[in-house]
Amino acid sequence: AQKITQTQPGMFVQEKEAVTLDCTYDTSDQSYGLFWYKQPSSGEMIFLIYQGSYDEQNATEGRYSLNFQKARKSANLVISASQLGDSAMYFCAMRVNAGGTSYGKLTFGQGTILTVHP
Amino acid sequence: DGGITQSPKYLFRKEGQNVTLSCEQNLNHDAMYWYRQDPGQGLRLIYYSQIVNDFQKGDIAEGYSVSREKKESFPLTVTSAQKNPTAFYLCASSMGLAGGHEQYFGPGTRLTVT
Repeated sequence: AQKITQTQPGMFVQEKEAVTLDCTYDTSDQSYGLFWYKQPSSGEMIFLIYQGSYDEQNATEGRYSLNFQKARKSANLVISASQLGDSAMYFCAMRVNAGGTSYGKLTFGQGTILTVHP
Repeated sequence: DGGITQSPKYLFRKEGQNVTLSCEQNLNHDAMYWYRQDPGQGLRLIYYSQIVNDFQKGDIAEGYSVSREKKESFPLTVTSAQKNPTAFYLCASSMGLAGGHEQYFGPGTRLTVT
């Protein structure tokens, strides 16, 4: 079974500074994908960034980058130059690519609430 | 615009009644999903469907039912057998089940059962 752990219930950051949101995962599968989603107070889930388990480079999307350390099973999200609009809940998620009963399922962590201060 | 629509945004029901939540997508995605989110928690998978007329149970399927008669539609019925139905329900779709296909989410339906 897959498991995602986000150990930071809440994080605070000053506007324009960088912040790292932690995510560790557990799986015995070799082929998997890691996702980060943002959930504002309105409730919709916004896809931010994806990292495949075989990708050698860390994924980047604008101000978002994923610090992927496969041996440590961690996939931390780094947000650079924080903006007030970044205040939201952030979820790390994983999906295995191999067959079996877990195929296709996206497993989510508990989330981290990020608050950006002006 | 392409996307996923869920209706209604807020839904109120009396205990003991079945209720059906709508989910429609015009992204031409094969896979669709239903998740449940409780306050301060992550999402948990209820059901998912890889193709029309086929669907699989997720982690918390008890008390729920789905159908997938059309590619665009994946309605979820919350039955009276569901012990704690009050929650935020999110529908999602993706091109496929594996690889880098991210899931696109609808705006969600907040269901309150009293």
